[in-house]
Amino acid sequence: DAKTTQPNSMESNEEEPVHLPCNHSTISGTDYIHWYRQLPSQGPEYVIHGLTSNVNNRMASLAIAEDRKSSTLILHRATLRDAAVYYCILRVPYSGGGADGLTFGKGTHLIIQP
Amino acid sequence: DAGITQSPRHKVTETGTPVTLRCHQTENHRYMYWYRQDPGHGLRLIHYSYGVKDTDKGEVSDGYSVSRSKTEDFLLTLESATSSQTSVYFCAISEKGQSYGYTFGSGTRLTVV
Repeated sequence: DAKTTQPNSMESNEEEPVHLPCNHSTISGTDYIHWYRQLPSQGPEYVIHGLTSNVNNRMASLAIAEDRKSSTLILHRATLRDAAVYYCILRVPYSGGGADGLTFGKGTHLIIQP
Repeated sequence: DAGITQSPRHKVTETGTPVTLRCHQTENHRYMYWYRQDPGHGLRLIHYSYGVKDTDKGEVSDGYSVSRSKTEDFLLTLESATSSQTSVYFCAISEKGQSYGYTFGSGTRLTVV
């Protein structure tokens, strides 16, 4: 299974940008990079995904390295509500062939200081 | 957020009793998933479905069964609940293809005593 490596935790200040790194050195050419976050006592929430090009949406930006072995989730202006566990996941097909699947790691616990 | 609901939200049950958790979607997505989340293990896939009556096992399927008789409902059954199945259970939906994201439900907290 393709794996990702993220720091266990990061801390940032409110209203400052946050850069959350993710390494995925064994990524395959067709694997999509997905980011989810999980706020306390809630289910995971989709944030953003990409394949090769950088991506932007209303929540965040995703910067993908040219060799695709790493990526960075960028929160442009963190708020207290962004405090969550952030998961970087490679969406790869299951070996069973029935459906694509998401394999969650431990993620990065983002702490936002007021 | 509409789209996916789980019921019940909380349940306490006794060891050895059967338990069924329900996931209901209004998005008409083909794929549905059941995950469990435990401290130290993160989210792990139990079973998934890729269509009506089409299901397959995930990483931690022992002790669980699923059924999907219609597109909108995906049921997770613990035939004989054990204390090791105390967990938070999340349902998710998606369309096929790696370019689609998942939408997760709010979870069911199950305690087996």
